[in-house]
Amino acid sequence: DAMVIQNPRYQVTQFGKPVTLSCSQTLNHNVMYWYQQKSSQAPKLLFHYYDKDFNNEADTPDNFQSRRPNTSFCFLDIRSPGLGDAAMYLCATSRGRGGDEAFFGQGTRLTVV
Amino acid sequence: AQKITQTQPGMFVQEKEAVTLDCTYDTSDQSYGLFWYKQPSSGEMIFLIYQGSYDEQNATEGRYSLNFQKARKSANLVISASQLGDSAMYFCAMREMSTDDKIIFGKGTRLHILP
Repeated sequence: DAMVIQNPRYQVTQFGKPVTLSCSQTLNHNVMYWYQQKSSQAPKLLFHYYDKDFNNEADTPDNFQSRRPNTSFCFLDIRSPGLGDAAMYLCATSRGRGGDEAFFGQGTRLTVV
Repeated sequence: AQKITQTQPGMFVQEKEAVTLDCTYDTSDQSYGLFWYKQPSSGEMIFLIYQGSYDEQNATEGRYSLNFQKARKSANLVISASQLGDSAMYFCAMREMSTDDKIIFGKGTRLHILP
C-alpha cells in the first residue's frame, strides 16, 4: 500500500560514478520534492516540481540533477558523487498549494566509497 | 535566515508524561502552513499534524496537539501521555503559500521517552 516508493533503499556507489535514485507515487500529486538529509540534520530541500515546472534551490550543487518524465516518477541524478554526498535522500509528494502535508517515501541511503 | 527554529536538540521525558516540543518560525507571508513530522530511527518521515495560519482553533490529532500562537510565531507540538514508541526525531516544518510549494524543515528535536 506504499504510496511513495523509493528505490533502492540502500545504494552504494563509487566516488565519481554517476548514480540515479528513483521515486514513484500512486497519489497523482502535483508536487514532488527531493530532500537530502545528513546524519542528525534537518532534511534539506534540493529541488521540487510542480507538475513539470522545475524549481531548483539556489544552493543545490550543479552535481545534482532531476528529471520528472511523468506525474508518477521522479529521478535524482548525481553526476559525480563525492564523499560529502553520502546521505539519506528523501522523496516526497503533495497535492499542491494549500495546507496539504507532504507524503514521504522511505528514503534511499546513499553510501559513496 | 533561518525560518524554522527548534531550540531543543534533545529531550528526555518519563513515560506517560506530557511533552512539549518548541517551534518558532519566521515569515512575512499572511498565508502559510505549519507541520510536524516524526522520524524514527528507521528514517521514514511520518506526518503528525498540520496548522494553517488562518485556522482559529489549535489542531489536534489523537495524542498530538499543536499550540499555535500566531502573534508569537510559535507552533509547539504537545504530546500527551507519552509512550516508549514516541522516541524519535521530531521536525517542525513550514510552507509559505507565496513560495512555490516549498516545505522547509527545522533542525529537529530528538525525544527520548524513559520507561
